[in-house]
Amino acid sequence: RKEVEQDPGPFNVPEGATVAFNCTYSNSASQSFFWYRQDCRKEPKLLMSVYSSGNEDGRFTAQLNRASQYISLLIRDSKLSDSATYLCVVNMGLKSGGYQKVTFGTGTKLQVIP
Amino acid sequence: NAGVTQTPKFQVLKTGQSMTLQCAQDMNHNSMYWYRQDPGMGLRLIYYSASEGTTDKGEVPNGYNVSRLNKREFSLRLESAAPSQTSVYFCASSSTGGNQPQHFGDGTRLSIL
Repeated sequence: RKEVEQDPGPFNVPEGATVAFNCTYSNSASQSFFWYRQDCRKEPKLLMSVYSSGNEDGRFTAQLNRASQYISLLIRDSKLSDSATYLCVVNMGLKSGGYQKVTFGTGTKLQVIP
Repeated sequence: NAGVTQTPKFQVLKTGQSMTLQCAQDMNHNSMYWYRQDPGMGLRLIYYSASEGTTDKGEVPNGYNVSRLNKREFSLRLESAAPSQTSVYFCASSSTGGNQPQHFGDGTRLSIL
């Protein structure tokens, strides 16, 4: 089993739709979680952290389910500009020597259609 | 508001040539990382530096060397480039202290013929 797994998509949704992505992780000791956004031929950019109680940033909602070991990202009222690949990131936290063991998912591609 | 700066942005090499990719951050971060990204593979860690003066191997270190020149700069060197090293290379940095996100440079697109 991969450490972090995502449905690669693509998810093709019309403007204004609500879309949700899930990401599963294998290590129950994982401590922190993030969603990144990556546009074509660009660098990954932090979209939002995922907190245990769930958190919202505008049209974006992130949730964590530790019991089932997955995180989710919900995008409401999709915009054309939301078209990108969304990377799930799992951080096991600080290891010996100061290293953060971070694993990136391969990403879920979203295409918002006019 | 530079963040993480990588140079060069594009490079074409011939097999066997060497080169160094440069990375600098101005966020006073302690930790820095080098990744490569290939289609369908996601980001894979090549080397990291938890703090100034330390470096360690990541998931795919073979064929690469790194230098943490100071707190700001972390370079990646290909001593004898191979076609399998054709990839997009990203440098990232993060503050120390556990669960902090990484911030990425805009990448170097490297082709080896």
